Amino acid sequence: TQLLEQSPQFLSIQEGENLTVYCNSSSVFSSLQWYRQEPGEGPVLLVTVVTGGEVKKLKRLTFQFGDARKDSSLHITAAQPGDTGLYLCAGTTGGTSYGKLTFGQGTILTVHP
Amino acid sequence: DSGVTQTPKHLITATGQRVTLRCSPRSGDLSVYWYQQSLDQGLQFLIQYYNGEERAKGNILERFSAQQFPDLHSELNLSSLELGDSALYFCASSYEGSYNSPLHFGNGTRLTVT
Repeated sequence: TQLLEQSPQFLSIQEGENLTVYCNSSSVFSSLQWYRQEPGEGPVLLVTVVTGGEVKKLKRLTFQFGDARKDSSLHITAAQPGDTGLYLCAGTTGGTSYGKLTFGQGTILTVHP
Repeated sequence: DSGVTQTPKHLITATGQRVTLRCSPRSGDLSVYWYQQSLDQGLQFLIQYYNGEERAKGNILERFSAQQFPDLHSELNLSSLELGDSALYFCASSYEGSYNSPLHFGNGTRLTVT
């Protein structure tokens, strides 16, 4: 069974601070995705990383895929209250089972003004 | 708005009953996925259909079944419901099944079994 462990589970910070969320596994994934979910809504895809060592930036968010494709991180610079939400990492073994995602337990981020 | 429509938004029913959850994928998407989200298990993949055929199966109980119809909408049937089946059920869709075709999630159906 492939497992993805996310840490920390909860993160409460002040506006303007930086933070990093980690996603680790003992399994190799062909791709790793990060989602953000708000209450009452479904997860929304932020980014997909597919190459070991890949780094992608989305405004103040930086995503990294580990060289061995077993881990990933999400770094947010100068967090804002609008960043508040549940952040989920999800891995896939690819091929025809691309949509068969294994999700981490999530990180609940609260950014206080 | 993801373009994926799920009905109903909320469902309250008793143990032993049977319910049907419905999903309309984004226009043009051929794949439909069902996920279950609970506090203790997180988001778990249940099943995937592609253009009417089952493509992948996850941790779906035998009491649960799904299908995708010719118009590409999908239904998830849950029977002999137990208290532990209370959860959020999400449907997602994508054009195909590769990483070039990202998943779009609906807003879910919240099922409460009493």
